[in-house]
Amino acid sequence: GAGVSQSPSNKVTEKGKDVELRCDPISGHTALYWYRQRLGQGLEFLIYFQGNSAPDKSGLPSDRFSAERTGESVSTLTIQRTQQEDSAVYLCASSLRPTAMNTEAFFGQGTRLTVV
Amino acid sequence: AQKVTQAQTEISVVEKEDVTLDCVYETRDTTYYLFWYKQPPSGELVFLIRRNSFDEQNEISGRYSWNFQKSTSSFNFTITASQVVDSAVYFCALSEFSFSNRGSTLGRLYFGRGTQLTVWP
Repeated sequence: GAGVSQSPSNKVTEKGKDVELRCDPISGHTALYWYRQRLGQGLEFLIYFQGNSAPDKSGLPSDRFSAERTGESVSTLTIQRTQQEDSAVYLCASSLRPTAMNTEAFFGQGTRLTVV
Repeated sequence: AQKVTQAQTEISVVEKEDVTLDCVYETRDTTYYLFWYKQPPSGELVFLIRRNSFDEQNEISGRYSWNFQKSTSSFNFTITASQVVDSAVYFCALSEFSFSNRGSTLGRLYFGRGTQLTVWP
């Protein structure tokens, strides 16, 4: 596809369950980012991948959150034992190079996660 | 301390009015990049502009214009003759030229909290 694709678009889960969110970046983009946007809030950085490695995981809020990227392509964000405060839109973005190298990031439409 | 401040939480204007969205940033780096994104009700962030710290020329693109002033650490965004379709949340963002302890170039975008712009017909 032409843009960043995220699935599912909506996810409702029960408190305590694990969830996996998927991101398909734009082909050829080496940099990939996960952000979280709570209702009415700005974007909160979670993790950054360069290729398959994650040089910056500092935004992950707890050890319940993890992410991986394979084949310099698809990334999966996993939230274990979900809590109600995890409810948010999770946004994925990709860029040709790191944004610190003068390139913009392109965002997917996000996955709206609701923990009930 | 927040690296990007968008002091205006909400702005309402009537169609055809001009509107300026403020963005103030904070960084110790000499090399950095500034961005504006638009988030319409559909939710997807749309890239509007990228500006590097060495280029202080103002930019105009149709009804959009950007005023970058390093002296005041501001990167303001003006929409001229606003239209209803401009209604969205607008985010200002900063990317610093930084490295991990292994030398990898980092690419975190620091976002402001966003400004909700509503344009009434």
